[in-house]
Amino acid sequence: EPEVTQTPSHQVTQMGQEVILRCVPISNHLYFYWYRQILGQKVEFLVSFYNNEISEKSEIFDDQFSVERPDGSNFTLKIRSTKLEDSAMYFCASEGLAVYEQYFGPGTRLTVT
Amino acid sequence: AQTVTQSQPEMSVQEAETVTLSCTYDTSESDYYLFWYKQPPSRQMILVIRQEAYKQQNATENRFSVNFQKAAKSFSLKISDSQLGDAAMYFCAYRSEETSGSRLTFGEGTQLTVNP
Repeated sequence: EPEVTQTPSHQVTQMGQEVILRCVPISNHLYFYWYRQILGQKVEFLVSFYNNEISEKSEIFDDQFSVERPDGSNFTLKIRSTKLEDSAMYFCASEGLAVYEQYFGPGTRLTVT
Repeated sequence: AQTVTQSQPEMSVQEAETVTLSCTYDTSESDYYLFWYKQPPSRQMILVIRQEAYKQQNATENRFSVNFQKAAKSFSLKISDSQLGDAAMYFCAYRSEETSGSRLTFGEGTQLTVNP
């Protein structure tokens, strides 16, 4: 069964450094998402992406965040200058056309020290 | 903006028994989807069940079923014949039907413990 994959599973970085989180969505899916879950809290929407552009973004998704689909298979989330409060689990999800179900990857645990 | 509320931070159930997890939501839309996701200790988000608001019939998936009350904006998950592997955090989620590519809005989650 096709699945969403994410790398790395765990990333440790120092405050102020740039990180790139990578996702490979399910191959025939068209809609891509990033969500964040701070430990012990609910899952929060960051951004959605369709047809090579951002469809919607939340208030969390400020100028330090960016997304890209560089090669037609990968979908990346970049955090330019990480802060301690960026420590969280980051989930990628993808969705097929007119399916209305989002399938999540296993997540990347980001730890900012 | 839509909101989703799960008022039970923790629930427990004996193995083989039935448990119901509650979820309420607030929306002004008439067409939408509701979901339950399971998050085991691995923290993977696993889709359990979905309900379309326009359908009167409650969705079922094997041991999992929902009680969808559209007028009351209530969407509870019933787990029958609970198994040890059902122990997880369960999140209720809402999404608009207006377009594909709509965000999911999650509740705070209910931590389910299954006792042997």
